[in-house]
Amino acid sequence: QPVLTQPSSHSASSGASVRLTCMLSSGFSVGDFWIRWYQQKPGNPPRYLLYYHSDSNKGQGSGVPSRFSGSNDASANAGILRISGLQPEDEADYYCGTWHSNSKTRVFGGGTKLTVL
Amino acid sequence: QVQLVQSGAEVKKPGASVKVSCKASGYTFTSYDINWVRQATGQGLEWMGWMNPNSGNTGYAQKFQGRVTMTRNTSISTAYMELSSLRSEDTAVYYCARGRIVGASLDPWGQGTLVTVSS
Repeated sequence: QPVLTQPSSHSASSGASVRLTCMLSSGFSVGDFWIRWYQQKPGNPPRYLLYYHSDSNKGQGSGVPSRFSGSNDASANAGILRISGLQPEDEADYYCGTWHSNSKTRVFGGGTKLTVL
Repeated sequence: QVQLVQSGAEVKKPGASVKVSCKASGYTFTSYDINWVRQATGQGLEWMGWMNPNSGNTGYAQKFQGRVTMTRNTSISTAYMELSSLRSEDTAVYYCARGRIVGASLDPWGQGTLVTVSS
């Protein structure tokens, strides 16, 4: 099954835009997967944000602001979560996840701790 | 509103079993899968498996095969996850989460149940 690799931490200033990456392991192509993104704040369960497969196959979680968006970077073989107009309340851990149909397994990345300066 | 409410914290001894419940409300329980995900303190998310409440079909992560059992009681819209032969490494917060179909986005999540394994 694929391994999803995320940077352990990332920081950016309030108002800035950030790109959080979720890289797929060798032998797996990001274009073949639906990448899902979750936000988790301390002491809370994860919250579903969105999924991205292609520009014509993507979806936003209920109530999730449009400044959260997904995309792929084929050259990096990675899913991308973009957050624009960063706000202090966006400080959280962000996890990517996907389903590998061949092994019938759901996998998560290790998470990125986002700090808003 | 759609809600998943889990049972309270548990303390178990090594070798024991634990059964966590997840009560669904605000939607038709049998129309969505229930997944179980755990998270050790300061660590990431680890998927354990899924269950279809309508059919009772299940799928477990290889790591937990033989130790985990997912069941449901449709009359009370409740899913259960039982983990046996507990060891200290099983100390974690256990979450249930709803998925539209196998592999779909997990939304919403329960509030989590802390299971502590200690002698």
